Amino acid sequence: GESVGLHLPTLSVQEGDNSIINCAYSNSASDYFIWYKQESGKGPQFIIDIRSNMDKRQGQRVTVLLNKTVKHLSLQIAATQPGDSAVYFCAESQGAQKLVFGQGTRLTINP
Amino acid sequence: NAGVMQNPRHLVRRRGQEARLRCSPMKGHSHVYWYRQLPEEGLKFMVYLQKENIIDESGMPKERFSAEFPKEGPSILRIQQVVRGDSAAYFCASSPLGLKNIQYFGAGTRLSVL
Repeated sequence: GESVGLHLPTLSVQEGDNSIINCAYSNSASDYFIWYKQESGKGPQFIIDIRSNMDKRQGQRVTVLLNKTVKHLSLQIAATQPGDSAVYFCAESQGAQKLVFGQGTRLTINP
Repeated sequence: NAGVMQNPRHLVRRRGQEARLRCSPMKGHSHVYWYRQLPEEGLKFMVYLQKENIIDESGMPKERFSAEFPKEGPSILRIQQVVRGDSAAYFCASSPLGLKNIQYFGAGTRLSVL
């Protein structure tokens, strides 16, 4: 069945460093990918998305990379700040359909 | 422009009671999705609705769970005869019409079954 998984369940980085969160997906038919950030007690917050016809997309301090050959997605956060501490989920979908979420990576920032 | 509104934020029920979770999508959004999240896990899709139509309910348990999105009013996720295993956070998301499927999430309803 479809599945989206993450390589690492936790990631700890120094404040100011760059963070890279990875995600593997298995459904080659997925054409849309999203990264969400979820803080404790809150709902997922949209960060950035990318369609399957793209390899890279940049936002404010964040970059998403898509490697369709190995079905791999990554989220890069530049100059990580304390406010970036959260659980990060990747999700995939096909058109306007359900999102399939990964397990999540907990990002903690060391001062 | 209010976001996705869910209520109640917290709901406590005893086994056998009914739980009703409400979701008002963002203004202008016609697609509503419900997800369930257990502690330390990702969100699991339950159901996808448009006004007065269930589009995909492949993630809904066969019994006790139902969802609706009437022409007027919020979307409702209804759980009958709750059991302890129903304890979870239930999130609603909405999206506008279009090819991009950015789903905007509410703050969730945390259901505790005693």
